[in-house]
Amino acid sequence: KAGVTQTPRYLIKTRGQQVTLSCSPISGHRSVSWYQQTPGQGLQFLFEYFSETQRNKGNFPGRFSGRQFSNSRSEMNVSTLELGDSALYLCASRREQGHEQFFGPGTRLTVL
Amino acid sequence: DAKTTQPPSMDCAEGRAANLPCNHSTISGNEYVYWYRQIHSQGPQYIIHGLKNNETNEMASLIITEDRKSSTLILPHATLRDTAVYYCIAHRNAGNNRKLIWGLGTSLAVNP
Repeated sequence: KAGVTQTPRYLIKTRGQQVTLSCSPISGHRSVSWYQQTPGQGLQFLFEYFSETQRNKGNFPGRFSGRQFSNSRSEMNVSTLELGDSALYLCASRREQGHEQFFGPGTRLTVL
Repeated sequence: DAKTTQPPSMDCAEGRAANLPCNHSTISGNEYVYWYRQIHSQGPQYIIHGLKNNETNEMASLIITEDRKSSTLILPHATLRDTAVYYCIAHRNAGNNRKLIWGLGTSLAVNP
């Protein structure tokens, strides 16, 4: 069974631009969560989607948004990029009621 | 979700047991304790979870105190490949408003 895939793996943007990251969950998983990981803050929860609906949301500004499609694939968008948005963005999927989250390899975003 | 506290770093000799502590004194009755680890530049990997009872799987054992305010992850025979950052998190398995609070984890160094 294929794991969680994330594209692109690396991205370089400049301040003020916007970016869209993609996540394909494991087949059959309907829950997709997004996390931001920085050296100083660790892993921070962004949001969780389930069956195309945002179910949970972390404490991030409105510049961070996401969506989920009917095939459970998910995208997250960051608008008006700031230097502080440079981070590893991780996506995780899980089965409904499943305990284990399966993480993708992440997208490394650098904002210049 | 309950906040967890872990020591920032630990060392362990190869072949010996690694005991990683986690404090979750504000955990509520329906919150599970989960352990994940992250090897450099990869996404986190699920290890084990528990609610009240001690748990064991092929990777590790989880010991939860009777009052559920703390737990210990035990890697019985640590190898060099167990060098990673270990995260302990506490949250409900499902439902809205899960904040999924991850700290900075414990950086475990297994030494030859």
